[in-house]
Amino acid sequence: GQNIDQPTEMTATEGAIVQINCTYQTSGFNGLFWYQQHAGEAPTFLSYNVLDGLEEKGRFSSFLSRSKGYSYLLLKELQMKDSASYLCAVQDSNYQLIWGAGTKLIIKP
Amino acid sequence: GAVVSQHPSWVICKSGTSVKIECRSLDFQATTMFWYRQFPKQSLMLMATSNEGSKATYEQGVEKDKFLINHASLTLSTLTVTSAHPEDSSFYICSARDGEGSSPLHFGNGTRLTVT
Repeated sequence: GQNIDQPTEMTATEGAIVQINCTYQTSGFNGLFWYQQHAGEAPTFLSYNVLDGLEEKGRFSSFLSRSKGYSYLLLKELQMKDSASYLCAVQDSNYQLIWGAGTKLIIKP
Repeated sequence: GAVVSQHPSWVICKSGTSVKIECRSLDFQATTMFWYRQFPKQSLMLMATSNEGSKATYEQGVEKDKFLINHASLTLSTLTVTSAHPEDSSFYICSARDGEGSSPLHFGNGTRLTVT
């Protein structure tokens, strides 16, 4: 079967760095997406990885290792507004998106 | 960037009535749109894939006669929840891509449906 695993909840301190991991087992691979979703709102796109390595975009970076079926989202200089759920999604061989359950990130002052 | 507009943002209806939700791609043409449902504290669940000019493809367990999807143009898809019941109360979100596989899904703002 197809499966995406990510931690249910994480807590971090304002100004710090946090890494949210995602492991996957899918039928084929055509890219991995990270989305941010604030409570009661729709998800917004953060990043896309299809090749191994690190993609940096401001305070957010995303890493992919296809051989390990692993990705992480790194958030630096955390701000209170970063409190949200972070969703990992993988495109399988049919370009269908398989969604993780999301990681709720709680930022404390 | 690509914008997907969804309307209404929230709706309260009585049990047994039908509710229509609209999803529009504002600055791109979407031959395919996706309808998701999300219950509180749960992940997104794909309900169906809406294809312009043809029948929608429903995921297993989703009743096509209850959740009617119409994709009459390249910029508009509608989801109608027919004979709504309280258990249909949920957050419904549409999405679309503005390109091929490497293009991200862009989401509408979602519709919070409450059936009383």
